[in-house]
Parts: sequence; structure tokens; C-alpha cells
Amino acid sequence: DTGVSQNPRHKITKRGQNVTFRCDPISEHNRLYWYRQTLGQGPEFLTYFQNEAQLEKSRLLSDRFSAERPKGSFSTLEIQRTEQGDSAMYLCASSRLGLNTEAFFGQGTRLTVV
Amino acid sequence: AQKITQTQPGMFVQEKEAVTLDCTYDTSDPSYGLFWYKQPSSGEMIFLIYQGSYDQQNATEGRYSLNFQKARKSANLVISASQLGDSAMYFCAMREPGGKLIFGQGTELSVKP
Repeated sequence: DTGVSQNPRHKITKRGQNVTFRCDPISEHNRLYWYRQTLGQGPEFLTYFQNEAQLEKSRLLSDRFSAERPKGSFSTLEIQRTEQGDSAMYLCASSRLGLNTEAFFGQGTRLTVV
Repeated sequence: AQKITQTQPGMFVQEKEAVTLDCTYDTSDPSYGLFWYKQPSSGEMIFLIYQGSYDQQNATEGRYSLNFQKARKSANLVISASQLGDSAMYFCAMREPGGKLIFGQGTELSVKP
């Protein structure tokens, strides 16, 4: 399968713990996006990369969130000192360069902070 | 700043009827791309249709068409001949030239038999 892959699919963690999610995009895609989605809402933009460069990070994102894409391939999203409000679905998407290129989404990582 | 607004939290349509889902956007860039995605209850995001800001004609893909009114900054999705399988969340999205892609709040469509 050459789609976008996210791991783990589910994560339950205790408040205050750190968690890390991984996203493997479609191999030839230069752009990689991270979103957070809660029930009944649209995907909320977190950050995006073009190759290994992080081009923008949402101003709404606290310093507890950090993302990397070290070699321009896979990406990781880390949340430090998790809070209950971090519970959500975390979606990764990738696309080619270009204005008209559709983004392909992974199946997401569902985070539950207890 | 870029913004996408979907003002209809929920919509109902009778099977085989047409339905229009509203989307308005705000950007200062003259060049941008507009997308619609479908998210069924299973959770996957499915790309439906694309419209570029310089496209002269409204985009169409099968039963989906996009009513693009650039001066009004609206990009409404029209689904013709609704089917039960069209019941899902629908999201409008916009990409700016730098590549950032943002989404609206979504509209939940329910198709009644």
C-alpha cells in the first residue's frame, strides 16, 4: 500500500506524559501536513512541511507541540506534558507541490488523555 | 488571513434530490485553490473536487459540481441526485500559493430515503 500511513492508530496516555506520533507520507510527496480534529469539527491546521523545512506552525499551538521531518520523508509529532484537552484525532496528509494538488490523508491517530 | 466558513452545521436532503453545501472564503492572495472533501462515519477523508482561482469554468466531477463565484468569494458544492451513501461530513478547504491548506468547520449531510 502506498498511501499515507500513521502510527499508532490509537494511543491512551496519562495526563502529563509525552507522546509521539509518526506519519509516513506518499513517497514522492514534498508537502506534509498535520491537523487535529475533534468530533463534529473540521481538521484544525497544526503545521506543515515542504521537504524537510517546517514552513508554518499554527499560532494556536502551544510550545508543548513540536513536529519534525528530518530527512524530508517521514514526520513525527510530539506532544509534551499532555493535557486532557489534547484528546483528539491527529491527522497527517501529504501532497505534491502545486496549488491544485489534492492532499491524501492517513487514517489518523486517536489520542485519549486520561 | 486565510479563512474558510461553512455556515450550515447540518443539512437534510431527500434521496435523488440535489443539495447545495455552502462555503465562503477569505484570502488576500489572487492565486489559490479550493477543495471539497467528504468524511464518512468511518473517518477517512475523500477528495471530491478542485477549483482554481483562475479557472474560468466551474469544476465538475460526476454528480459533484462547484458553484464558484469569485467576486462573492464563495465555492458552494452541489451534489445532484443524492444517494444514501452521500450521508457524511463535507469539508471545504483552501490552499494558498505557499502550500498551506486549511479547512472549514464542515457540514453534516443526511440523505433521507
